[in-house]
Amino acid sequence: DTAVSQTPKYLVTQMGNDKSIKCEQNLGHDTMYWYKQDSKKFLKIMFSYNNKELIINETVPNRFSPKSPDKAHLNLHINSLELGDSAVYFCASSLRIGTSGGAKAADTQYFGPGTRLTVL
Amino acid sequence: QQQVKQSPQSLIVQKGGISIINCAYENTAFDYFPWYQQFPGKGPALLIAIRPDVSEKKEGRFTISFNKSAKQFSLHIMDSQPGDSATYFCAASMKRNTPLVFGKGTRLSVIA
Repeated sequence: DTAVSQTPKYLVTQMGNDKSIKCEQNLGHDTMYWYKQDSKKFLKIMFSYNNKELIINETVPNRFSPKSPDKAHLNLHINSLELGDSAVYFCASSLRIGTSGGAKAADTQYFGPGTRLTVL
Repeated sequence: QQQVKQSPQSLIVQKGGISIINCAYENTAFDYFPWYQQFPGKGPALLIAIRPDVSEKKEGRFTISFNKSAKQFSLHIMDSQPGDSATYFCAASMKRNTPLVFGKGTRLSVIA
């Protein structure tokens, strides 16, 4: 009954390789995000997708390419991995359409468990 | 340019005490202010959130105080417990379902 799931949980790879991280949500949400958490635990948005369309792309190298095959999935593909890409990557989702319940219900972003990427 | 500034970086509180974490923001277009709790090896989880039309919101032992004119908000954890030991992040966003801008986090340790 996991709400937001990510695979793999750990990813260790060599510099220059290409890798993908998968994310799935079963909450019926229509907006999904990728955040990066660096070694100092700072969380920063990378991408935001709504209904399979990219709506926000922060300053991220074009080696990172998100792909959303449907509203429930948002995958992150990384080309030519670099040492500085080592971090924990979090997928999150939320519902754009207004719902009842006040601030918490309408805007809550649910985060996945994270994927720890280590580039050697 | 850090849009949400959080302090302190770390905090040690005795069991039963009050934990207070402060955040300040710059962008007056922000209208949603959540607090997230993160345990080691886990993703952030929403703890409590507030909109600027109210000055305080309480849920159990957790309270957000919000000062719109000062552009500041804080998290108070009453009767802090060892199980509250985690990293806490304040955040802000400009409208519904837009990415969150996070503070740098506060590592809370509650000691018995």
